[in-house]
Amino acid sequence: EVQLVESGGGLIQPGGSLRLSCAASGFTVSSNYMSWVRQAPGKGLEWVSVIYSGGSTYYADSVKGRFTISRDNSKNTLYLQMNSLRAEDTAVYYCARGASRFDPWGQGTLVTVSS
Amino acid sequence: DIQMTQSPSSLSASVGDRVTITCQASQDISNYLNWYQQKPGKAPKLLIYDASNLETGVPSRFSGSGSGTDFTFTISSLQPEDIATYYCQQYDNQYTFGQGTKLEIK
Repeated sequence: EVQLVESGGGLIQPGGSLRLSCAASGFTVSSNYMSWVRQAPGKGLEWVSVIYSGGSTYYADSVKGRFTISRDNSKNTLYLQMNSLRAEDTAVYYCARGASRFDPWGQGTLVTVSS
Repeated sequence: DIQMTQSPSSLSASVGDRVTITCQASQDISNYLNWYQQKPGKAPKLLIYDASNLETGVPSRFSGSGSGTDFTFTISSLQPEDIATYYCQQYDNQYTFGQGTKLEIK
């Protein structure tokens, strides 16, 4: 069964850093495009970042220069390193397989940026 | 950036009704459009890809059509379990979602 499980969310002060993890099972992360999508409380979906199977990475303008997507092939895990966090980064962060279409999605992990 | 405009933002319908949601792109995106369903407290689920292709396992009452800038998502006969928020998403240039359509039972 294809499954994605996120972890690493929590409460963090503005300016702080956090690393999210997304453990995959049932498929190989490094052979697929993998993405992060976030959803602020009560709001819609916003694409954050993608890593291609070849290793190229892309970011939404709202997080460029602050967030870094990466993967650990030995652990079959996707990461999102988030630095210089702002209140507007508060959201549920989902990892998803794919880029042209996101399928499946993990259950999400909540990141709250607040003092 | 490509903007996606969904309408309506909310919709109330009765069981058995035909429901239609539209999504308009700010520029031509060919058929590079997907539709997702998100139930409260859950992750989104892919229903339709490439504008009109039904994802495996998704009931046939769901369908999609359109190309270029104008797209339509239809539920042919609304069921109680279809209560959710629906999003369109383009992938012609990066990835952008519509603002969502919240569907409720009348």
